[in-house]
Amino acid sequence: GAGVSQSPSNKVTEKGKDVELRCDPISGHTALYWYRQSLGQGLEFLIYFQGNSAPDKSGLPSDRFSAERTGGSVSTLTIQRTQQEDSAVYLCASSLPASGGVSSYEQYFGPGTRLTVT
Amino acid sequence: GQNIDQPTEMTATEGAIVQINCTYQTSGFNGLFWYQQHAGEAPTFLSYNVLDGLEEKGRFSSFLSRSKGYSYLLLKELQMKDSASYLCAPEGAGSYQLTFGKGTKLSVIP
Repeated sequence: GAGVSQSPSNKVTEKGKDVELRCDPISGHTALYWYRQSLGQGLEFLIYFQGNSAPDKSGLPSDRFSAERTGGSVSTLTIQRTQQEDSAVYLCASSLPASGGVSSYEQYFGPGTRLTVT
Repeated sequence: GQNIDQPTEMTATEGAIVQINCTYQTSGFNGLFWYQQHAGEAPTFLSYNVLDGLEEKGRFSSFLSRSKGYSYLLLKELQMKDSASYLCAPEGAGSYQLTFGKGTKLSVIP
């Protein structure tokens, strides 16, 4: 079946501009995550959505970053007034919801959006 | 907070066995994931350990010791296509937050 899709695959923008990154999760996956991966670094958690619950925004690096998820499916990550340090690959992942017990579900990652701020 | 330590790079020979270690310190712990990430690609799931011990899945096995904050990924009969980064990701007590290590870049040579 279809996996997680992200668009655009590449985005080059000028410093100070706003950008929107889109994620389309796997159908039926109510959990959705955004991560950022800078060159040579690990994945940095940004935000988590689970169903209709309030999102966990604890990983967002500044108030220039925001995300929303419409209808419990597609999500958009918005970066306002982009800075050069925002350059990274932004990865979206989805999964079935964690049970809260002893088991969790693997996250399926999209191909990512490579953002370059010039 | 979270602190994850794994070697930056490793090199191994095709057909050999390699063990990638990961130590972690987390505020609350639910389980630990291992992901594989080929250069320029998204991570893909390899294993998930909740209980202590070894989980075997084909050529790949993963071990967890909760009391020691330690895990390893064991790759047997290495193939060239196993050249990739291997990411250790302990899961915090919230049961959804993963903290990824910087990854171990494995190079398999002929």
